[in-house]
Amino acid sequence: SQQGEEDPQALSIQEGENATMNCSYKTSINNLQWYRQNSGRGLVHLILIRSNEREKHSGRLRVTLDTSKKSSSLLITASRAADTASYFCATDAIAGGTSYGKLTFGQGTILTVHP
Amino acid sequence: SAVISQKPSRDICQRGTSLTIQCQVDSQVTMMFWYRQQPGQSLTLIATANQGSEATYESGFVIDKFPISRPNLTFSTLTVSNMSPEDSSIYLCSVEDYDRVYGYTFGSGTRLTVV
Repeated sequence: SQQGEEDPQALSIQEGENATMNCSYKTSINNLQWYRQNSGRGLVHLILIRSNEREKHSGRLRVTLDTSKKSSSLLITASRAADTASYFCATDAIAGGTSYGKLTFGQGTILTVHP
Repeated sequence: SAVISQKPSRDICQRGTSLTIQCQVDSQVTMMFWYRQQPGQSLTLIATANQGSEATYESGFVIDKFPISRPNLTFSTLTVSNMSPEDSSIYLCSVEDYDRVYGYTFGSGTRLTVV
């Protein structure tokens, strides 16, 4: 079953604007990851944030994690048309103190950046 | 991080037939994961494949329908058996980064259409 819920389901913005996507999950996690998928192709790993981290940056990406609320957000600053893609959060969960070593994905956000 | 070669990239198959999808990794990995992404949906884990042992299937997926082979630490196959139009999906393999610093690496996906 899907662990995460993402909102919005779709986001349409102009180039140069910021895009924020949110993700919620249900169980305890080792880490939370964000992936990008272009046109139904393979996933590209964007960023990983561990359960003991609250914020992480990578280039134009900023991820936050609130384990008390079981939620995360992905911010893409100064968006470009090339950022148009589907974005998924995925959790790497804990089971009995041992990581599953597998991912549970959210429903995804379709981002469209207009030139 | 690992590089995965996944084949075929796409196929159109007749119902009742089977298709075998291959994933070759450029480094040795302990676990390989197979996911299904139905049209417009997120990714769902089918099974985890360890070398030298039976694959572990998630709820809703059975070995007779999705047999998996893992003959060595760099290769795995997923077969979609006795296909029906409901099996039309993107199938992706994935491996874990050796120390999870970079998350998981995904193959480019196999887009399967069953007619």
